[in-house]
Amino acid sequence: DAGVIQSPRHEVTEMGQEVTLRCKPISGHDYLFWYRQTMMRGLELLIYFNNNVPIDDSGMPEDRFSAKMPNASFSTLKIQPSEPRDSAVYFCASSFVSDEQYFGPGTRLTVT
Amino acid sequence: KQEVTQIPAALSVPEGENLVLNCSFTDSAIYNLQWFRQDPGKGLTSLLLIQSSQREQTSGRLNASLDKSSGRSTLYIAASQPGDSATYLCAVSSGSARQLTFGSGTQLTVLP
Repeated sequence: DAGVIQSPRHEVTEMGQEVTLRCKPISGHDYLFWYRQTMMRGLELLIYFNNNVPIDDSGMPEDRFSAKMPNASFSTLKIQPSEPRDSAVYFCASSFVSDEQYFGPGTRLTVT
Repeated sequence: KQEVTQIPAALSVPEGENLVLNCSFTDSAIYNLQWFRQDPGKGLTSLLLIQSSQREQTSGRLNASLDKSSGRSTLYIAASQPGDSATYLCAVSSGSARQLTFGSGTQLTVLP
């Protein structure tokens, strides 16, 4: 298995632009998680899905953030409009039956 | 709310030394605990997962222990090598989806 795949690996955008981050979980995994990592706050859970259904989005910082999982093999995290304080590394992770989580390589987002 | 603390924040040791990294958590109602390694600018690599019913797990030179009642875990690294230099993150799984709460990490440097 190729593991969790994220794209793009790096994204540089200007304030106010829409940003879409993509994730392909490991085949057969039923949980998908989105995390954000910053120097100030460390790793934080943003939202997670179970069988493609969003279960808890209490970690999503603002309404500018949204996430979808249209099928078992694809998820997106969208920021609209983006702001400089959104600059961070965004990780996607997946697991089977809430067991060990496997992380993707992350997307480094820079908003100028 | 679950809180995870890792001590020390940074550690520098000469090659060949055995070392211990510490992790503590506030809520003992966990499902499992994972230790991750993160290299600079990279994603997270899972090292060991300990289920709440287990006391320890071993993988090569790594041994992780768990004392759920006291809210503590340790990661023991034997015969450290320069290639072990990285940030080590502890994460506990709790909540309805067994989502992970991360510590802030221990930055390890092994000097040749």
